Amino acid sequence: AQTVTQSQPEMSVQEAETVTLSCTYDTSESDYYLFWYKQPPSRQMILVIRQEAYKQQNATENRFSVNFQKAAKSFSLKISDSQLGDAAMYFCAYRSVLNYGGSQGNLIFGKGTKLSVKP
Amino acid sequence: DTGVSQDPRHKITKRGQNVTFRCDPISEHNRLYWYRQTLGQGPEFLTYFQNEAQLEKSRLLSDRFSAERPKGSFSTLEIQRTEQGDSAMYLCASSFGQGHYGYTFGSGTRLTVV
Repeated sequence: AQTVTQSQPEMSVQEAETVTLSCTYDTSESDYYLFWYKQPPSRQMILVIRQEAYKQQNATENRFSVNFQKAAKSFSLKISDSQLGDAAMYFCAYRSVLNYGGSQGNLIFGKGTKLSVKP
Repeated sequence: DTGVSQDPRHKITKRGQNVTFRCDPISEHNRLYWYRQTLGQGPEFLTYFQNEAQLEKSRLLSDRFSAERPKGSFSTLEIQRTEQGDSAMYLCASSFGQGHYGYTFGSGTRLTVV
């Protein structure tokens, strides 16, 4: 079974600085999708960025970018020019593309990293 | 389209009571998912529907849990004979197709069993 590990329970960054959140995963599949979701306090989870495993190019969405290292099974999120509104829980998630064990519906999440942004 | 809606936002119930939650997905989305999130944890998959068919259930979904999606539109999640361990945030999400572009989540229903 696939697993997702986020080893940093909490992180802090100064406003306007850059921060990197770590994520590693375990899978025997070669084709899959990876996501970063943001969950602000008492608010709904929002998709931040998505990466397709068969694409070597790292995904970028404005101030958010990823460092996808397929061989190392690593998928880190970099937030540049951090803003106060970036403060939230960030979840890394894995999604199989195959009908592996019947888990076509299963988006597998890590435990999350709580990001604080200091003014 | 206002996104994925969940009702109620909060529910406090006594142990042993039954509760039912509702989820209205984005209308164009054919897949609907239920997740449970406890404090300090990431969301855990419970079950999902493709249109009205329930295609997968996690082993977390005990016999006390049942989910339906009549006519492939809204979905309900019922918990019978609630236990204190059922206290959690219940998240609903929907996607178009297989969700390879991500899921859209609702704000969740926070259940407290006292």
